[in-house]
This record gives sequence, structure tokens and C-alpha cells, in this order.
Amino acid sequence: QQQVKQSPQSLIVQKGGIPIINCAYENTAFDYFPWYQQFPGKGPALLIAIRPDVSEKKEGRFTISFNKSAKQFSLHIMDSQPGDSATYFCAASRYGNKLVFGAGTILRVKS
Amino acid sequence: NAGVTQTPKFRILKIGQSMTLQCTQDMNHNYMYWYRQDPGMGLKLIYYSVGAGITDKGEVPNGYNVSRSTTEDFPLRLELAAPSQTSVYFCASSVSELNTEAFFGQGTRLTVV
Repeated sequence: QQQVKQSPQSLIVQKGGIPIINCAYENTAFDYFPWYQQFPGKGPALLIAIRPDVSEKKEGRFTISFNKSAKQFSLHIMDSQPGDSATYFCAASRYGNKLVFGAGTILRVKS
Repeated sequence: NAGVTQTPKFRILKIGQSMTLQCTQDMNHNYMYWYRQDPGMGLKLIYYSVGAGITDKGEVPNGYNVSRSTTEDFPLRLELAAPSQTSVYFCASSVSELNTEAFFGQGTRLTVV
């Protein structure tokens, strides 16, 4: 059972564009929603995370938007750069439980 | 500051062979995890440990075994390797599983032929 659905599978944008990656979850008990970034040949690394008591969180060029009623959250990358080219994973967990990951989105930013 | 270290980085196994993937962390984290990553499938949890001497199954444990004799080490054992175990394996650790950051190793790419 896929508890976190992520889309799109891949995404190509021009430098300076704003790629948006979407995730939807089923379990209303989830209360922690992180995004991980993975470069080729490396392990995933935490990029940014949000809890359901806020609708938006920004860290530098990265923004998470959260819609609790729709059970959806998304990652926006402002002024995207070729160095942002990576695979991005959304995830979710319920307090005291393990992370459930989405299938991943391969992002390519063209210079 | 090494973080989470995995060895080997690459390995080719023949069907039916066994091997151990090593994982060690130097952050004194209680929680450790093993994931496998397959194209288009995200990360699936194989086993996890909440501390030395305690392990439990994740989502896809069949064909694997783990042990946790120390806080630092969490090896993953593959018995009777099968082609379905061809994957990239990641070890991770966290201070706790209570919604805190998980730190990942660089992965082991395993091919079973």
C-alpha cells in the first residue's frame, strides 16, 4: 500500500524556473513531512521539513506548501539552478513511527 | 566527522551466495535503519534498530537479517542472494525515530547475477 504518492516522476526546467513537486498522503495521523535531496552516487539528505500546524515553510530558495484538508504538500524551488539537479523524495511519518517515502522525482535544471 | 559509513560501495554476487553489508555511525545515534532503493520505487525500509540488542522488521525484510551488538554498528546480512535483491542499499541513523532527521550513508550498489 503506497501511503505517499509523489508526482511527477521526472521534471525538466530552465535555469531560473520554479519546479514544483507534489505529494499526497492517505494517513491523517501523519504529523511530520520532510523532503530529502539525493545527488547521484550519494545518500539522501534532509532538505526541509514541515509539521501540519503551519501551511508554509521557507528555507532559502526552497519552500514547502502544506494543505491539510487536501492531504497534500509540495516543494517549490525558487530561481532554480543547475546545481539543484537531483532526485527529490517526499516522506511522511506519524509521531513515534518510521518514515514512509514517496517514489522520488528526478529534477533536471537546464542552464 | 564521518557520519554514516557503508562498505562496500559496490558488489557483484552470484545467485545463492551470501554477504554482509557493513554500516557504522559515529554520531552516537540510538536509531539505525536499512533501506533499499529501486528505480521509481523510493526507499523501502528493510530492518531497523532502536538500540543495541534490539532489532525489528520493516516493510521488506524477507531474505535479510540484521544484528546490533553495539550502538555504532548495524550490519545487514543477505543469505542465499537472489536477483530480486539487486538494488542500492542505504544505511541511516537518527537520534530517535520521533520525527528527527535521518542521516544516510552513501549506499552500496549490489548486483546479483
